[in-house]
Amino acid sequence: EADIYQTPRYLVIGTGKKITLECSQTMGHDKMYWYQQDPGMELHLIHYSYGVNSTEKGDLSSESTVSRIRTEHFPLTLESARPSHTSQYLCASSDPTGPSGNTIYFGEGSWLTVV
Amino acid sequence: GQQLNQSPQSMFIQEGEDVSMNCTSSSIFNTWLWYKQEPGEGPVLLIALYKAGELTSNGRLTAQFGITRKDSFLNISASIPSDVGIYFCAGQLYNQGGKLIFGQGTELSVKP
Repeated sequence: EADIYQTPRYLVIGTGKKITLECSQTMGHDKMYWYQQDPGMELHLIHYSYGVNSTEKGDLSSESTVSRIRTEHFPLTLESARPSHTSQYLCASSDPTGPSGNTIYFGEGSWLTVV
Repeated sequence: GQQLNQSPQSMFIQEGEDVSMNCTSSSIFNTWLWYKQEPGEGPVLLIALYKAGELTSNGRLTAQFGITRKDSFLNISASIPSDVGIYFCAGQLYNQGGKLIFGQGTELSVKP
């Protein structure tokens, strides 16, 4: 069982608002990720981090930004939300003690709707 | 870019039947992971595979890492209604820093 938490789970906000999606994990994982997933579709990596003060863009371009000031915390921010940002955002972290160190565990997701 | 082809896209089966789904790619992977996702939830890890040829079971689920390292399958035996959900394969390319590529998902429906 993975201990990775996301808040809020569901959010409806107006266009132009700033929103931060929170993600925390209590497993001490160095690697953390943000994926974006539209309903019924595959997951796309938008940000990842290998540790504190490390952040990289993922494979799918995103207008969101991330920060990694503490190992356990990896928030994602949208400075000015638009309807095109409506999606599910999934936070994940990986276990460095596995054989390849890359077993990834997911949070429950944050469903964002921008109206 | 790299791509995983997951099939079938959807399955409608009777309770008690066995299920098989697979993922293939033209690229070589050094890790295969299988996840199940239920509506409104994040993916939950079912099985992780790290070696070519590896066969791993988790209850009624069995998954194998293909010998060529380009494919993997997941079998579910004696399906039950709670098996309903979307199953995703995910592969990690060698030296890609832990980033995963996901298949398109297989939506499983089980009729009681």
